[in-house]
Amino acid sequence: DAGVTQSPTHLIKTRGQQVTLRCSPKSGHDTVSWYQQALGQGPQFIFQYYEEEERQRGNFPDRFSGHQFPNYSSELNVNALLLGDSALYLCASSLDPGGYYNSPLHFGNGTRLTVT
Amino acid sequence: EDKVVQSPLSLVVHEGDTVTLNCSYEVTNFRSLLWYKQEKKAPTFLFMLTSSGIEKKSGRLSSILDKKELFSILNITATQTGDSAVYLCAFRVAGNNRKLIWGLGTSLAVNP
Repeated sequence: DAGVTQSPTHLIKTRGQQVTLRCSPKSGHDTVSWYQQALGQGPQFIFQYYEEEERQRGNFPDRFSGHQFPNYSSELNVNALLLGDSALYLCASSLDPGGYYNSPLHFGNGTRLTVT
Repeated sequence: EDKVVQSPLSLVVHEGDTVTLNCSYEVTNFRSLLWYKQEKKAPTFLFMLTSSGIEKKSGRLSSILDKKELFSILNITATQTGDSAVYLCAFRVAGNNRKLIWGLGTSLAVNP
């Protein structure tokens, strides 16, 4: 049973560039959440996708956007990268039919993004 | 504003010690509290607590929630070096269960 997989594992970009991170949820899960984790911090919620729609969003600018595909996989896009965007980006999946099931999140190993 | 505070921020113990990690929260419409262990990369799920006073246990780890006093503790007995990690707690708000609010974590180092 495959868990949550993310790609790439590491990425180095220059300020102003754009980046796309990818996530495949755990088998049987239909909801994907994205988190940003800076060094020494807890994860910060970016947004969540369910049924191919963004259902909720944290306090992140519009430079952060995403997408969910019919197979439940998801992408996180960040435009006009800033140095402060350097962080570990975590994808988490859960089974959340209708948004009422109180299920725990299962995390991928993350993508380490470095912006220079 | 909803928030969660973990203490201590860091802790160094010797193998065999027992540790207690604290998580206190201020939240409206509490639904559940979750504990995660984070080593190098992905946080791994430990416990989800929804009811006050009911202990969840898994091997040497246990956790309990006090909804009246708004806190939870995570106990680890007979610590091992493999317990070294950051322990994160997060809570989910009722009616808004798509988002978790996270604490900063407690960094635990277990020395041989």
